[in-house]
Amino acid sequence: GAVVSQHPSWVICKSGTSVKIECRSLDFQATTMFWYRQFPKQSLMLMATSNEGSKATYEQGVEKDKFLINHASLTLSTLTVTSAHPEDSSFYICSASSDRTYSNQPQHFGDGTRLSIL
Amino acid sequence: GQSLEQPSEVTAVEGAIVQINCTYQTSGFYGLSWYQQHDGGAPTFLSYNALDGLEETGRFSSFLSRSDSYGYLLLQELQMKDSASYFCAVHNQGGKLIFGQGTELSVKP
Repeated sequence: GAVVSQHPSWVICKSGTSVKIECRSLDFQATTMFWYRQFPKQSLMLMATSNEGSKATYEQGVEKDKFLINHASLTLSTLTVTSAHPEDSSFYICSASSDRTYSNQPQHFGDGTRLSIL
Repeated sequence: GQSLEQPSEVTAVEGAIVQINCTYQTSGFYGLSWYQQHDGGAPTFLSYNALDGLEETGRFSSFLSRSDSYGYLLLQELQMKDSASYFCAVHNQGGKLIFGQGTELSVKP
């Protein structure tokens, strides 16, 4: 149980392109999804928290107009990197939770999306 | 501020036991999780502690002392496939996870 699917796995595109990444919970309803970014040999950094039906909450330093998050249903959240540039190249990972208010349950991660901007 | 400290790298041999420590300083605390991440992969949940004490899951065990803001992950009977990065993560308010910088474990034959 608790499977999270992330798509696509790899994206290579030209600078200036917008890229959409999908995160789906396959066997549970995810009221909350989290988006992380990870640079090589570094830790996971939380970018934003996405609650179904409401606006995402962004961490300090993350540009909300650059990283658009939509959580329109209980099983799908999307992250769109708008007008991507080489410095946006990174490993993007989502995770999901079935409880909007929980703080004490493990998060289940998708397989991640490796984004390379040329 | 919020910080988690764990060793950057650890080396051990097959069959050995290794302990990865994690100390934390965060404004909120609901529990400590451990994740394993192989190169190029996503984090995989290993263990979770909300209360003081030891949690055992097969070859992996995790310990927490809330009064000391300290936890550790214990890996027994090490195998080559255990070579990976291991992250401790504090559960914060609203379900957020704050990750440590990760410990790269190298298991040698």
